[in-house]
Amino acid sequence: EIVMTQSPATLSVSPGERATLSCRASQSVSRNLAWYQQKPGQAPRLLIYGASTREPGIPARFSGSESGTEFTLTISSLQSEDFATYYCQQYNNWPGTFGQGTKVEIK
Amino acid sequence: QLQLELSGPGLVKPSETLSLTCTVSGDSISRSTQYWGWIRQPPGKGLEWIGSIYKSGNTYYNPSLKSRVAISVDTSKNQFYLNLTSVTAADTAVFYCARVKQQLVFDFWGQGTLVTVSS
Repeated sequence: EIVMTQSPATLSVSPGERATLSCRASQSVSRNLAWYQQKPGQAPRLLIYGASTREPGIPARFSGSESGTEFTLTISSLQSEDFATYYCQQYNNWPGTFGQGTKVEIK
Repeated sequence: QLQLELSGPGLVKPSETLSLTCTVSGDSISRSTQYWGWIRQPPGKGLEWIGSIYKSGNTYYNPSLKSRVAISVDTSKNQFYLNLTSVTAADTAVFYCARVKQQLVFDFWGQGTLVTVSS
């Protein structure tokens, strides 16, 4: 089973600043990597799949990139509604596995 | 607009079977070309994919749960179901049903329901 490791566990950012979240796969997952946003008491929301393809309706301030087994989610200018927990998920190998999450909190 | 509504008991006794129903509205399972799936999230923890099903009844399960999981579908009711047998406290979680966009990517989720395993 592929292990997805996210860092940091918590990221403190001021509104308007850039946030950079990392996700590392224990082995190659090609570009089969998705990012989800989850707010307290809500279901996850798909932001990005294919490492960098934004889901329809997701603002352009969210972007994803890949370098080997390292994946990055960047939020270019944090808005108040972006403070949440973010999960990466690989779906290249069976079963798809999620990272443990990065909580983005207000600094 | 697509909606997935989860229903089922919020409390299940240890060793019993957890049963949940996901009712789909705004889309037809029988006409859909997508899979539908179940995911769970223990309190304060991360997400775990449980399994997925196609309208034909074809299923895929997480190997870690495969011996205890059964997912089924009733296209006439536009519903799909989760049965998890021999539950323990470790199965306490918020359970979600979701639509599969592709492979194991979930593009639309139901609201989630907390199921507690306790006597």
